[in-house]
Amino acid sequence: AQRVTQPEKLLSVFKGAPVELKCNYSYSGSPELFWYVQYSRQRLQLLLRHISRESIKGFTADLNKGETSFHLKKPFAQEEDSAMYYCALSPLSGGYQKVTFGTGTKLQVIP
Amino acid sequence: DADVTQTPRNRITKTGKRIMLECSQTKGHDRMYWYRQDPGLGLRLIYYSFDVKDINKGEISDGYSVSRQAQAKFSLSLESAIPNQTALYFCATSDAGTGVHEQFFGPGTRLTVL
Repeated sequence: AQRVTQPEKLLSVFKGAPVELKCNYSYSGSPELFWYVQYSRQRLQLLLRHISRESIKGFTADLNKGETSFHLKKPFAQEEDSAMYYCALSPLSGGYQKVTFGTGTKLQVIP
Repeated sequence: DADVTQTPRNRITKTGKRIMLECSQTKGHDRMYWYRQDPGLGLRLIYYSFDVKDINKGEISDGYSVSRQAQAKFSLSLESAIPNQTALYFCATSDAGTGVHEQFFGPGTRLTVL
C-alpha cells in the first residue's frame, strides 16, 4: 500500500522567511514524488516532480529515501506563494500508476 | 489549463436528486479520473478510467457511478444525492504513453447537497 502524510494542515510564515512543507511517504517500491499547488480559485497544477530535479518558482524538493521524505522548500517566502500544497506519490514503474495524494498543507505568507 | 473542462462549475441540489457532473478534455489523454476534495481530507479518488472500455473504482466509489462516453468525456453521477456528498469535485487526465505520471486537473465543480 502507498501512503502520503502531510503533518501540517496550516503553515504560516512571514514574507521573506524560509518555508518548508513536510511530506513523508510509505511505499515498498520505487516511488515517483510530486508537489501540486492550488492557488485560490484555481485548479490544481503540478509544481514539481522529484525526477526532473527542477526548481520552480524558487521551490525545491529532494527525495530522501532513507527518511522517506520529500519536503518542499523555499528560502524566502513571497505573498504569492500563499496556496494549498499537495504532496503526491505514484509507483515509478509497473501497471496502473495510482497517484496517492496527501491531505494538503495550506501555506499562508504574512506580509 | 483550458484543456480539461468541467460542467457545471457550481451546483446546488436537494437530497435524493440525481446529479451528473461532466468532464471533457482536448489533451488526447487516455486516462481520466474523478476526485473529491474535502477540507482536511485532501483529494480522494472516486473512479478512474484507462480507456472507453475500462472503468475502475477508486477508494470512495459508493454512491457514485461513472460513464466514459468517449475518450474525451468522463461523467460522474450521483444517483441519489446526500448531504455528505457536498464537496469540490475534480476531474483529471493523464497520458499513459509518455511514462510521465503527471495529472492535469479541471477547474472543479462545487456541489452542495441540501
